[in-house]
Amino acid sequence: ETGVTQTPRHLVMGMTNKKSLKCEQHLGHNAMYWYKQSAKKPLELMFVYNFKEQTENNSVPSRFSPECPNSSHLFLHLHTLQPEDSALYLCASSQEGANQPQHFGDGTRLSIL
Amino acid sequence: KQEVTQIPAALSVPEGENLVLNCSFTDSAIYNLQWFRQDPGKGLTSLLLIQSSQREQTSGRLNASLDKSSGRSTLYIAASQPGDSATYLCAFKAAGNKLTFGGGTRVLVKP
Repeated sequence: ETGVTQTPRHLVMGMTNKKSLKCEQHLGHNAMYWYKQSAKKPLELMFVYNFKEQTENNSVPSRFSPECPNSSHLFLHLHTLQPEDSALYLCASSQEGANQPQHFGDGTRLSIL
Repeated sequence: KQEVTQIPAALSVPEGENLVLNCSFTDSAIYNLQWFRQDPGKGLTSLLLIQSSQREQTSGRLNASLDKSSGRSTLYIAASQPGDSATYLCAFKAAGNKLTFGGGTRVLVKP
């Protein structure tokens, strides 16, 4: 149990659907992250939130829309996705600070039909 | 562009042998370097974090070294066990809160 919970664990959706990924952390952290892990590519940072404010958007297409209502919850809203968006989406959290380790959830495996 | 390279991409060893995993990075102005383990279908588990002012960190059978000047880090796993089979990822943190990851080394320890 890492203290970071992601739901759902698996999601299959069509390109015209709208769905949301959820992440919740129980560690009292104040920074949260979304990462994308595609086959045969390194893990890529998508978004960073510090104290509920977005501080990094790593040139992510607008079909991915993050939301951070409070320091414990992070969402990734999905709409009009493409087949190349099929990947494992990982959420992480940490205390804000240069040398604070990040703690990861088990991810949502997303498949776009 | 900041990059992280992990060699080898895959490694298979008999149980009991020591493991040596290599990580090289292009940014010498790092804050820290972190080693993670990832099991199939799972997220990442943090193993060791080495701050830029440190040369190494140890936890049980794991030892990680950091040489900023040459842009290298090495993870040593002593007396490997089948339970050590996983993918090992290194990542560095530079300016901001961003981790830059390598592609990982997939390790298989055969009983």
